[in-house]
Amino acid sequence: EVQLVESGGGLVQPGGSLRLSCAASGFTFSSYSINWVRQAPGKGLEWVSYIGSSGSSIYYADSVKGRFTISRDNAKNSLYLQMNSLRAEDTAVYYCARRIPSPDYYMDVWGKGTTVTVSS
Amino acid sequence: DIQMTQSPSSLSASVGDRVTITCRASQSISSYLNWYQQKPGKAPKLLIYAASRLQSGVPSRFSGSGSGTDFTLTISSLQPEDFATYYCQQSYSTLITFGQGTRLEIK
Repeated sequence: EVQLVESGGGLVQPGGSLRLSCAASGFTFSSYSINWVRQAPGKGLEWVSYIGSSGSSIYYADSVKGRFTISRDNAKNSLYLQMNSLRAEDTAVYYCARRIPSPDYYMDVWGKGTTVTVSS
Repeated sequence: DIQMTQSPSSLSASVGDRVTITCRASQSISSYLNWYQQKPGKAPKLLIYAASRLQSGVPSRFSGSGSGTDFTLTISSLQPEDFATYYCQQSYSTLITFGQGTRLEIK
């Protein structure tokens, strides 16, 4: 079964750090780029970060640039999101989602999400 | 960034109704438009990709159309399981953006 499973969420104080993981199974992980997408409580979907299949192409939303770092280990079929200098507005459910390659670029597989709460 | 604007933000309808949700991009995105359905506490689920292509396993009552800047998602005959929130998303840019969502409620 094609699957993505996020982990690493939790409660953290403002200014703190957290590392999210996304474990892939059932497909050739190294062939796909991945997005992190988050959803604040009661709000819509917000794109956070993108990483290409080899890890050489990386992009961030302005809201997290300079604070979050995306990375991947294709040998371990895993994706990571290192989150530093966390703010209350980073509180959200964080999803990893597989992006289909050219030509259509849609996200066809999503994890169930991991919850990050930034609060003192 | 490409802005995506959905309308309406919420919609009340009855089982059996035909429903249309619209999505407008701030610039032309060709057919790089996808639609997702999300139910409370669940991850988004892909319904339509490339503006009009039905994802495998999605009922045929869902359809999408449009190109350039204006797109629509149509549900031909609402079923009880269709009451959810729907999001459009552009994949023209690697920096993807979503519409604000349309909450579809039971009348």
